[in-house]
Amino acid sequence: GAVVSQHPSWVICKSGTSVKIECRSLDFQATTMFWYRQFPKQSLMLMATSNEGSKATYEQGVEKDKFLINHASLTLSTLTVTSAHPEDSSFYICSALTGTYEQYFGPGTRLTVT
Amino acid sequence: AQSVTQPDIHITVSEGASLELRCNYSYGATPYLFWYVQSPGQGLQLLLKYFSGDTLVQGIKGFEAEFKRSQSSFNLRKPSVHWSDAAEYFCAVVRRGGGYNKLIFGAGTRLAVHP
Repeated sequence: GAVVSQHPSWVICKSGTSVKIECRSLDFQATTMFWYRQFPKQSLMLMATSNEGSKATYEQGVEKDKFLINHASLTLSTLTVTSAHPEDSSFYICSALTGTYEQYFGPGTRLTVT
Repeated sequence: AQSVTQPDIHITVSEGASLELRCNYSYGATPYLFWYVQSPGQGLQLLLKYFSGDTLVQGIKGFEAEFKRSQSSFNLRKPSVHWSDAAEYFCAVVRRGGGYNKLIFGAGTRLAVHP
């Protein structure tokens, strides 16, 4: 099956700094990737849709200037949390879309902002 | 608007017992439905999906789900649960339109398995 990786798997950063999370589709090309946020014991909340070669589409209520998304190639999308604050601490998950409406998910990145 | 409801937040079953996890959806057209499983420290894994055709869908790990349009349901079943099935299960529907296909997730059901 299709494999999606994320790096790093966990990261701790200080308040005010920026953190970049990478999402890669390892054995397939993905023109569309998605970024989700998951709070403890809660469901996944879609943050944005990332499309190769174009601007990301953000869901209502998601600050596009805080969560910068770059989809520079068919196998890589990055999420940068800028000027991170403790309330940004969460589990961030990416997925890559295949041509058959199926999304394959990365293992997630645990972000802790101190 | 499309939505997914998983009425059971937490379910506990004994190993070897049968399992049914409930999922109800709200969608105007024929839905594309999915069940995912999330184990601790791991990403979401697709168990099965329904797009059209046979309403009883077979998935991986011995799971199956039945699409019932009249009840707007897509319940997940397994005849005999194994301890390794303990995990969080998410039902999802694709929200189509605007050129993108987005997954709308239910709140999830946490499954515990007693030995």
